[in-house]
Amino acid sequence: SQTIHQWPATLVQPVGSPLSLECTVEGTSNPNLYWYRQAAGRGLQLLFYSVGIGQISSEVPQNLSASRPQDRQFILSSKKLLLSDSGFYLCAWTSGRTDTQYFGPGTRLTVL
Amino acid sequence: GESVGLHLPTLSVQEGDNSIINCAYSNSASDYFIWYKQESGKGPQFIIDIRSNMDKRQGQRVTVLLNKTVKHLSLQIAATQPGDSAVYFCAENKGYSTLTFGKGTMLLVSP
Repeated sequence: SQTIHQWPATLVQPVGSPLSLECTVEGTSNPNLYWYRQAAGRGLQLLFYSVGIGQISSEVPQNLSASRPQDRQFILSSKKLLLSDSGFYLCAWTSGRTDTQYFGPGTRLTVL
Repeated sequence: GESVGLHLPTLSVQEGDNSIINCAYSNSASDYFIWYKQESGKGPQFIIDIRSNMDKRQGQRVTVLLNKTVKHLSLQIAATQPGDSAVYFCAENKGYSTLTFGKGTMLLVSP
């Protein structure tokens, strides 16, 4: 069966520091991968998605970036965090044959 | 732009009651819809989906109804249990394998 992992689970970072969040999927090949951000008590905002290695589509212009160095690995990065980057970051995958997205456990990021 | 929204931000029910969570969508071209359940501090969990060529789909204790005429989607939970307490999101297929999510409805189940 397929599983999706995210780490770290929680992270507290100072303003201006760099960020690297990792997401990996097991049990499938060539998945579509997605990064979302969820502010407290709000819906999900799509940040990036990828349909293959090295292919990244950005939905919202901001100081975040994404990379997909391997088929089942998706990384969310920032060179300098802002206070507004605080939130719950979720990674999701889909097989590409269906539109159903399955989510990871999330990373809670607090920028102080 | 196109959006998906929910009518009720919070729904409180008694254990054993049936719950109905509603969602309005604006993109008449959407052909796929999903309901997710999100418990506090966790990622959204897939509950049930429906394609636009259907108007009803049933799962275990859950039923999704789709009314394309008025662009309305609902999730019915039968015999609601305390474990059903969570935030429920509807989502529509935006195209290119991306989804647009509604703002969510919190379901509170009292014992």
